[in-house]
Amino acid sequence: KQEVTQIPAALSVPEGENLVLNCSFTDSAIYNLQWFRQDPGKGLTSLLLIQSSQREQTSGRLNASLDKSSGRSTLYIAASQPGDSATYLCAVTTDSWGKLQFGAGTQVVVTP
Amino acid sequence: NAGVMQNPRHLVRRRGQEARLRCSPMKGHSHVYWYRQLPEEGLKFMVYLQKENIIDESGMPKERFSAEFPKEGPSILRIQQVVRGDSAAYFCASSPVGLKISSYNEQFFGPGTRLTVL
Repeated sequence: KQEVTQIPAALSVPEGENLVLNCSFTDSAIYNLQWFRQDPGKGLTSLLLIQSSQREQTSGRLNASLDKSSGRSTLYIAASQPGDSATYLCAVTTDSWGKLQFGAGTQVVVTP
Repeated sequence: NAGVMQNPRHLVRRRGQEARLRCSPMKGHSHVYWYRQLPEEGLKFMVYLQKENIIDESGMPKERFSAEFPKEGPSILRIQQVVRGDSAAYFCASSPVGLKISSYNEQFFGPGTRLTVL
C-alpha cells in the first residue's frame, strides 16, 4: 500500500532563504509525482509534474527532483518571499487511471 | 481559458438534506477526479469519471454518495442524507488525457466546495 509522507509538517524561514521540502513514498512504482501549492481556504495550484522517467523539473525559482529508487522527491524554492507562504503538497500517481495519492503537506511561513 | 470551476463555493446543509456539488472542467478536458479534504486530514481520492462513465469509484463511501459526468453539463457529486461527518472541502480536478493514454497526466484543481453540515 502506497504511503506518502512529507517532512517537516511546518517550516518557518526568513525572507531570502532557500526552502527545501521533502516528500517520500513507499512504493517506487509510480507514474508521476506532482507538487502543489494550497493557500488557506483555496484550491490547489499545480507547481511541477515530474514523470517517472525524469529526474527533475524546473520552473522559475522552483526545482523539483525525483529519485524513484529511494522513493524521494525534493522541492527547492530559491530566494523565498513572503508570497511563498502556503501549504505545499506532493502527490503520486500509482495506477493507470491517474488518481493522486497525497501527502499531508508542509506548511511554510516566510517572514519578512 | 477558464480554469476548473466549482459551485457553490460554500454550501450549508442540515443533517438529512441532500448536497449537490458541481464541477465544470477546463475547456477541452474530458477527465474529472473528485477529492475530499476532511478537517485536519489530507486530500483523499473519491472518484474518477470520463464523459458518461464512472471509471474508478474506489474512494467513494459505499452509501449516500454518487457521482456523474453527463455528456453535456458539469460533473455532479451528490451526497444524500448528509451527516456531520460529511463536512469537508470537496475538490474537483480535470485533465486533458487519461494516464492510460499519456504518462503526462497533469491534474488542474478547482477552488473547492466547502460543505458544512449543521
